[in-house]
Amino acid sequence: DGGITQSPKYLFRKEGQNVTLSCEQNLNHDAMYWYRQDPGQGLRLIYYSQIVNDFQKGDIAEGYSVSREKKESFPLTVTSAQKNPTAFYLCASSINWGALNQPQHFGDGTRLSIL
Amino acid sequence: AQTVTQSQPEMSVQEAETVTLSCTYDTSESDYYLFWYKQPPSRQMILVIRQEAYKQQNATENRFSVNFQKAAKSFSLKISDSQLGDAAMYFCAYRSAEGSNYKLTFGKGTLLTVNP
Repeated sequence: DGGITQSPKYLFRKEGQNVTLSCEQNLNHDAMYWYRQDPGQGLRLIYYSQIVNDFQKGDIAEGYSVSREKKESFPLTVTSAQKNPTAFYLCASSINWGALNQPQHFGDGTRLSIL
Repeated sequence: AQTVTQSQPEMSVQEAETVTLSCTYDTSESDYYLFWYKQPPSRQMILVIRQEAYKQQNATENRFSVNFQKAAKSFSLKISDSQLGDAAMYFCAYRSAEGSNYKLTFGKGTLLTVNP
């Protein structure tokens, strides 16, 4: 079945460490997204990628980095510069950036906690 | 920048009854799309229904329908014949269709409880 796979489901980070969250999709979608979800908050866009080898900052990109070397993969690195990284992270994809009426498909998320 | 407001942090409904979730948005644009997403306890976001701003007819998907009032910038979701499986967090989202900034802007969500 086509879908989005995020791993790991739970992740723990020591202060000062970088961690990388994995996101893989087999939907053949061009566009991919990373969101952060905090309790009582909606989803906030961290980074997005319209196509391979391209990505753009979202609303809260500070302390995060991404790469898009393959169409299927869009990993997110939470760096030590992100002062409050504890959150639930959701990866999504859509057919392409300009398909405005098409929904974004979401993974099951990764919960990141600081030790 | 566009903003999306969901004024009801929590709602509850009896099984088989009808409930309406509110959403308002602020925009100066005339062309855009609106979405309702559902996030059950499993945490995966699922699209419930979508509405194109240029369509006057309200969207309907089985037991889910919207009341889209463009002038009032209101986009409420009605769930009829509520089922236990409808219990979830519901998010309203806005997507511009103008310019090139097509990102989704989400509200803070409404937690729906369905009582048996």
